[in-house]
Amino acid sequence: DTGVSQDPRHKITKRGQNVTFRCDPISEHNRLYWYRQTLGQGPEFLTYFQNEAQLEKSRLLSDRFSAERPKGSFSTLEIQRTEQGDSAMYLCASSSSDGNQPQHFGDGTRLSIL
Amino acid sequence: AQRVTQPEKLLSVFKGAPVELKCNYSYSGSPELFWYVQYSRQRLQLLLRHISRESIKGFTADLNKGETSFHLKKPFAQEEDSAMYYCALSPQGAQKLVFGQGTRLTINP
Repeated sequence: DTGVSQDPRHKITKRGQNVTFRCDPISEHNRLYWYRQTLGQGPEFLTYFQNEAQLEKSRLLSDRFSAERPKGSFSTLEIQRTEQGDSAMYLCASSSSDGNQPQHFGDGTRLSIL
Repeated sequence: AQRVTQPEKLLSVFKGAPVELKCNYSYSGSPELFWYVQYSRQRLQLLLRHISRESIKGFTADLNKGETSFHLKKPFAQEEDSAMYYCALSPQGAQKLVFGQGTRLTINP
């Protein structure tokens, strides 16, 4: 297992376009998390899934953001009508719900809005 | 609201010197505290967590509930410790992590 995998690594798009990112968690992990990290800041929590259920969403997740995990395996994060302020690194993490297991992070998708 | 504060954005020490990265938190309940590290061109990875009470790569961190702190310490810094360090807390009963802004540690030869 190569760990948490995110695709693409980089995305450059024009303001107003829609973008979608994919995250493949560690195979035996049933929890999946999305974070956003802007320059000079630590990661900020966006949302989390246990299996296919989205159990928590941050107020940071505006109406333009939607996340899915349809079969409880990979997840997608879509941003509609992108804005300059959406430029950030989007990080995915996964963990097991057995006991107090830590979160394992992917390399992230860097989004740049022109 | 939960908050994690890392007062130093940059910290530079010489090889062999002791190092302490400060972390203070604000939370009314009983959080779980973590230190994550990101080495150059690598992904964010867990360094240690307070419930494990382990020493990883020579680093230790003690949770001080009275001072609401979770400082990371190492008695003798090594060049390979140069990295970005993030302190994080997980609120009681929640799954999310709340991160500090991070401290960039540079170990000079």
